[in-house]
Amino acid sequence: GAVVSQHPSWVICKSGTSVKIECRSLDFQATTMFWYRQFPKQSLMLMATSNEGSKATYEQGVEKDKFLINHASLTLSTLTVTSAHPEDSSFYICSAREPSLYEQYFGPGTRLTVT
Amino acid sequence: GDSVTQMEGPVTLSEEAFLTINCTYTATGYPSLFWYVQYPGEGLQLLLKATKADDKGSNKGFEATYRKETTSFHLEKGSVQVSDSAVYFCALSANGQNFVFGPGTRLSVLP
Repeated sequence: GAVVSQHPSWVICKSGTSVKIECRSLDFQATTMFWYRQFPKQSLMLMATSNEGSKATYEQGVEKDKFLINHASLTLSTLTVTSAHPEDSSFYICSAREPSLYEQYFGPGTRLTVT
Repeated sequence: GDSVTQMEGPVTLSEEAFLTINCTYTATGYPSLFWYVQYPGEGLQLLLKATKADDKGSNKGFEATYRKETTSFHLEKGSVQVSDSAVYFCALSANGQNFVFGPGTRLSVLP
């Protein structure tokens, strides 16, 4: 099946710094990628939808200036958490839609801890 | 809007017990339905799916049938193993683009 990777798998950063998370579709081209956030023992909450070559669409309540999303190619989307704070600590999961299939493939997730 | 409801967890079973995790949904139209599994510290993996009414999705001994009349997609397995311990998410998608996830049900299987 289709494979989606994320890098890094975990990261610890200091408050006020920025962190970039990469999401790659390894064996297919993804015109659309999605970024989710998952708090401990909770479900996934969609943060934004990323379309290749255009601006991301953010869900209500998600600060676009804080969570910068770039989808520069058909296989790569990045999420940058700017000026991170401890409340941004979470598990971030990306997914990519394989255009010919009616489903999304999920990456393994990135655990962000802001100290 | 669309929504997914799952039974409250955690669910604790002994090995070889029968598993049912209930899932009901509210949606306009006829969405595709999915079960995803999340093992500790990992992302989500598609377990099974069904795209239309009366379809049965199955994988690794798990089954779920798309019941339009009861708007349900209950997950079942006849004999669980310790390795099935994970969090299970029911989800729907009307267009393959936007997914709505249930809250997840944590399953613990004891040896």
